[in-house]
Amino acid sequence: SQQGEEDPQALSIQEGENATMNCSYKTSINNLQWYRQNSGRGLVHLILIRSNEREKHSGRLRVTLDTSKKSSSLLITASRAADTASYFCATDGNQAGTALIFGKGTTLSVSS
Amino acid sequence: DAGVTQSPTHLIKTRGQQVTLRCSPKSGHDTVSWYQQALGQGPQFIFQYYEEEERQRGNFPDRFSGHQFPNYSSELNVNALLLGDSALYLCASSSLFVAGYTGELFFGEGSRLTVL
Repeated sequence: SQQGEEDPQALSIQEGENATMNCSYKTSINNLQWYRQNSGRGLVHLILIRSNEREKHSGRLRVTLDTSKKSSSLLITASRAADTASYFCATDGNQAGTALIFGKGTTLSVSS
Repeated sequence: DAGVTQSPTHLIKTRGQQVTLRCSPKSGHDTVSWYQQALGQGPQFIFQYYEEEERQRGNFPDRFSGHQFPNYSSELNVNALLLGDSALYLCASSSLFVAGYTGELFFGEGSRLTVL
């Protein structure tokens, strides 16, 4: 079953624009993570935010978490063509080390 | 430092056959998780192995079985293949009981299985 649901399913932007993806989940969590997947390949971890954090930055990435609304957002600033990929949020339930539950992902297309 | 390696990268089987997929975790990792990703979907958790035992299992039938070896590598076996088993099978490794571990997974490039 899917825990997280990303929105939108697909997003097309121009290079230099910002991209925002949202994720909603159903149960309480220990942390929430975002992963990136280039077409048909393995997933790469981008950023992790703990349940007691509200915002986190890493380079051009900004993640927010609202546990009261059970939602998170991923902002990619100044997008590049190389950011074209699918982005997934993943939650782990109440304990680190338990199985990650992924959403269906947002497919981002950045055109130059 | 080798990352997570999976083999084979692609394979084609027919319905009813059996398949074995292999995974070597990232150096220093002792826990292996397997995920199935159908086309256009997010990865679905199959099971997780630690200390050669299945620690957690997702909602997959008994046709899906696994094994972890003393060197932490792992195999995923699927019996009586169905058309619906066609997917990208991803292996992910981690080190569960290292101090400060927060749950990040390191993924291999996957094995793409096509069932005809």
